[in-house]
Amino acid sequence: EDQVTQSPEALRLQEGESSSLNCSYTVSGLRGLFWYRQDPGKGPEFLFTLYSAGEEKEKERLKATLTKKESFLHITAPKPEDSATYLCAVQEGSYIPTFGRGTSLIVHP
Amino acid sequence: DAGVIQSPRHEVTEMGQEVTLRCKPISGHDYLFWYRQTMMRGLELLIYFNNNVPIDDSGMPEDRFSAKMPNASFSTLKIQPSEPRDSAVYFCASSRQVGGEKLFFGSGTQLSVL
Repeated sequence: EDQVTQSPEALRLQEGESSSLNCSYTVSGLRGLFWYRQDPGKGPEFLFTLYSAGEEKEKERLKATLTKKESFLHITAPKPEDSATYLCAVQEGSYIPTFGRGTSLIVHP
Repeated sequence: DAGVIQSPRHEVTEMGQEVTLRCKPISGHDYLFWYRQTMMRGLELLIYFNNNVPIDDSGMPEDRFSAKMPNASFSTLKIQPSEPRDSAVYFCASSRQVGGEKLFFGSGTQLSVL
């Protein structure tokens, strides 16, 4: 069973159409949950770290939230430049973070 | 800082050949990670080092894969002999510590084994 599951696998939005990406996890002792953005041909780039349930972080049109079982990445009024693959990673205790397979987001103008 | 630097960016080789991927981590980062990314399996951890010492290589798929970190500024991932199923994007990443710390990734090496 995967420790980290992201949904949907792919998402197409019109510019300005807000939506949310989901990352559900099954680890028991969460040390941190990370969101990364990956553009084609590049390595993942860090966005946020969340440490405890109830925590929220924002950056421009992105807001990440965390519960005891999942995290959401909310995208408000997205623009075409927000198109990318968004990866979630969870760290249990002192283990190395485990990555989900990502959500590929395409925002049409 | 230039970030994590990987070379080559692209590598095309024939089955059976030796492949060496290179990585220069960010100065001052004590941890270095090698990941492999494929459509089927996503981003998988192969091995990681702490202060140049390999800590966990349980993700290395086979004995054909080996990794070294001779000093704090250089690491290699070697595949010998290479096989078509090794085709993937290989990323190197570094961080200052491992607990709740973000990773800085290089741009990756796109490996194609024919």
